[in-house]
Amino acid sequence: GQSLEQPSEVTAVEGAIVQINCTYQTSGFYGLSWYQQHDGGAPTFLSYNALDGLEETGRFSSFLSRSDSYGYLLLQELQMKDSASYFCAVRDLSTDSWGKLQFGAGTQVVVTP
Amino acid sequence: DARVTQTPRHKVTEMGQEVTMRCQPILGHNTVFWYRQTMMQGLELLAYFRNRAPLDDSGMPKDRFSAEMPDATLATLKIQPSEPRDSAVYFCASGQVGQGSYNEQFFGPGTRLTVL
Repeated sequence: GQSLEQPSEVTAVEGAIVQINCTYQTSGFYGLSWYQQHDGGAPTFLSYNALDGLEETGRFSSFLSRSDSYGYLLLQELQMKDSASYFCAVRDLSTDSWGKLQFGAGTQVVVTP
Repeated sequence: DARVTQTPRHKVTEMGQEVTMRCQPILGHNTVFWYRQTMMQGLELLAYFRNRAPLDDSGMPKDRFSAEMPDATLATLKIQPSEPRDSAVYFCASGQVGQGSYNEQFFGPGTRLTVL
């Protein structure tokens, strides 16, 4: 089976940096994804890590350590519009479940002025 | 601008009624997913299809839920009979998935279902 753990909520001020950690346990790991969801909206893809290391996309970066079963999403220069829920998701390695994702419970990021 | 569409966006119904939710995936995508999101359970995968064939529906209550993909442009999720505990937001997502490569999932806007 699979399980993912991430904090339920993080609060920070505009301009700050926030790191959202995600630890996972899975019988077959292929990669770690991050999705963003604003209130009332749909999840949208942010990043994907299959190999160890840091992936940077603008103000957002994602990191993976396969040996530690751990990853994080880094949000820099926080803006009010970054207030949203952030989900980590693990891709199942089983050959009959290509593309299947197991989502974490989500981290609510609250950005204050 | 290709996107996943879902209808209806909102549905209020009474317990025992049939509910049908529809999804049009992005043209060319080979995999379609149905998710349910609630505060308590988070985002749960109900079923998914690849090239219109059902791959896994183990997340779905079999006695009342059914998912089909009658053609490449339409996926449906039916609940019969509906119960108050089915109240949730139901998302459809599609992606072009291949083994050995990552393919992001594109989510539709969701159907917010309320069963009274």
